[in-house]
Amino acid sequence: NAGVTQTPKFQVLKTGQSMTLQCAQDMNHEYMSWYRQDPGMGLRLIHYSVGAGITDQGEVPNGYNVSRSTTEDFPLRLLSAAPSQTSVYFCASSYTNDNQPQHFGDGTRLSIL
Amino acid sequence: AQSVAQPEDQVNVAEGNPLTVKCTYSVSGNPYLFWYVQYPNRGLQFLLKYITGDNLVKGSYGFEAEFNKSQTSFHLKKPSALVSDSALYFCAVGGAGNMLTFGGGTRLMVKP
Repeated sequence: NAGVTQTPKFQVLKTGQSMTLQCAQDMNHEYMSWYRQDPGMGLRLIHYSVGAGITDQGEVPNGYNVSRSTTEDFPLRLLSAAPSQTSVYFCASSYTNDNQPQHFGDGTRLSIL
Repeated sequence: AQSVAQPEDQVNVAEGNPLTVKCTYSVSGNPYLFWYVQYPNRGLQFLLKYITGDNLVKGSYGFEAEFNKSQTSFHLKKPSALVSDSALYFCAVGGAGNMLTFGGGTRLMVKP
């Protein structure tokens, strides 16, 4: 049982480049989300999904796109990377029932030069 | 809007001593409260949650948390700290659906 798998673990981009952060879960969880972690600011919600075909914005969605074509996968796209997007990105999943514990991946450390 | 505050960036405690990591919250209505722990280069791991009921919630690895509605606090406690408890701890409040609002985190350092 792999849980939540994120790839890549590390990435360095130049300003203006695009990339996709991958997230997959094998627990048949309906709810998936993306957070970014910055020092002293905890984790902030970027986008989330309550099921395949359904996505919505979180607290800090600008500069990021998501889609949810399957229950298992929830990729995060940076269309034109900016230095302000340098961060550690975490994907999480859970059952949809309100306030279920969330399972987190190990993160993608992204640097934008 | 809901919010969480963790007033201490770092807590230092000697191994074997009790530990407390503080958390206060602001939310309309009944709160759903969580504690997560993060070890270096890893994702967050769920420790415990408060939904309703007993004000003392027991969780993983011997941790517990005390809910105090009048003080809007949800402090994390452990009677006897271990060096292996050293990590980053996050308090969070649950919102609509499964959306979490996190505090800034508290680094716990347990010294031998």
